[in-house]
Amino acid sequence: KAGVTQTPRYLIKTRGQQVTLSCSPISGHRSVSWYQQTPGQGLQFLFEYFSETQRNKGNFPGRFSGRQFSNSRSEMNVSTLELGDSALYLCASGRGSENTEAFFGQGTRLTVV
Amino acid sequence: AQTVTQSQPEMSVQEAETVTLSCTYDTSESNYYLFWYKQPPSRQMILVIRQEAYKQQNATENRFSVNFQKAAKSFSLKISDSQLGDTAMYFCAFMNGSSNTGKLIFGQGTTLQVKP
Repeated sequence: KAGVTQTPRYLIKTRGQQVTLSCSPISGHRSVSWYQQTPGQGLQFLFEYFSETQRNKGNFPGRFSGRQFSNSRSEMNVSTLELGDSALYLCASGRGSENTEAFFGQGTRLTVV
Repeated sequence: AQTVTQSQPEMSVQEAETVTLSCTYDTSESNYYLFWYKQPPSRQMILVIRQEAYKQQNATENRFSVNFQKAAKSFSLKISDSQLGDTAMYFCAFMNGSSNTGKLIFGQGTTLQVKP
């Protein structure tokens, strides 16, 4: 059974640009959550999608957005990139209606220059 | 609001010995789950062990076990017979079982080094 797949693994962008990250959950899982990991702030919850609907959102500016497709794959978009957006972005997969555990992908390392 | 605290930023242990990582949490919820995740240098977040709050029995996975003290809101991880491959950052995490959204709240992490 394939795990959680995140693409790309590494990304370098310039301030002001936008970026889209992708996450494919474990087959059969319908929930996808996104986290930002930085040395200073640690792991912070961005948002969670289930059945193409955002169910929960963390405390991030509106520049951070996401969506989920009918096949449960999810994308996260960050617009008008800032240097502080440099981070490891992790995606987690869950079964869905009753999430009791989360399985993570390898993450996307975003560097904003 | 729920919080998770890991008070040990760094720890080290000799290979084959036992080490315990500490975690405390704060919540008013009665239905929740607690986790320990391992993040090696590859950055892959790996689920080590999971505890359901309504279960009194401490969870165990091979060399990994927890000491879940619900009244004290404490959830420590014991690693027995430490191996070099256990070197990683370990995160304690909380999930509210009532919300069903899968949102995890993480502690700041403990870096564990296993020495040969």
